[in-house]
Amino acid sequence: DTEVTQTPKHLVMGMTNKKSLKCEQHMGHRAMYWYKQKAKKPPELMFVYSYEKLSINESVPSRFSPECPNSSLLNLHLHALQPEDSALYLCASSQEMWDEQYFGPGTRLTVT
Amino acid sequence: RKEVEQDPGPFNVPEGATVAFNCTYSNSASQSFFWYRQDCRKEPKLLMSVYSSGNEDGRFTAQLNRASQYISLLIRDSKLSDSATYLCVVLGDGGSNYKLTFGKGTLLTVNP
Repeated sequence: DTEVTQTPKHLVMGMTNKKSLKCEQHMGHRAMYWYKQKAKKPPELMFVYSYEKLSINESVPSRFSPECPNSSLLNLHLHALQPEDSALYLCASSQEMWDEQYFGPGTRLTVT
Repeated sequence: RKEVEQDPGPFNVPEGATVAFNCTYSNSASQSFFWYRQDCRKEPKLLMSVYSSGNEDGRFTAQLNRASQYISLLIRDSKLSDSATYLCVVLGDGGSNYKLTFGKGTLLTVNP
């Protein structure tokens, strides 16, 4: 089973709201990722966690705050977003950082 | 030179056709190579890992030429369900950077 789950599927939030995206995998993978994808573009890496520690932050604005509570869960906390942050946010996981990645279905975020 | 460059497409082919996608990458130290497919408004799904020895999975054949820094994907007897965007993906830069680099994707439409 190569399933990564994400909630919610859709999210509409105002620029002053605080919300969180959640990601879960039960494959025993030790690396988890957040990506942002705009329409007709490939995914862009935001953050990488390896063994529950932040390994890569791709210079993401601080209004995006990742959290890895345990080896199965990854959250992305959102605060004071801008309309241009509207996108599909994808979570992925892999056994180790050098292995193939499996993506969740994504959260489609709209910032109004 | 772009890091991962793919045929821009789009490709429109009839059912049963054979279609080939090509991809080149710029970093000769890249470690792993993949093809993903992405349906409209869905997440990328791993199609195949790509090895120098070539690998085949049913109607799909992938090939890697490290000397030419070239990756290919061949789809035989194409089906309507093969319609999707195909993403060429490269992992790593030879060091401890295990980031995925995506090509822009090639859109395939298989027509009845």
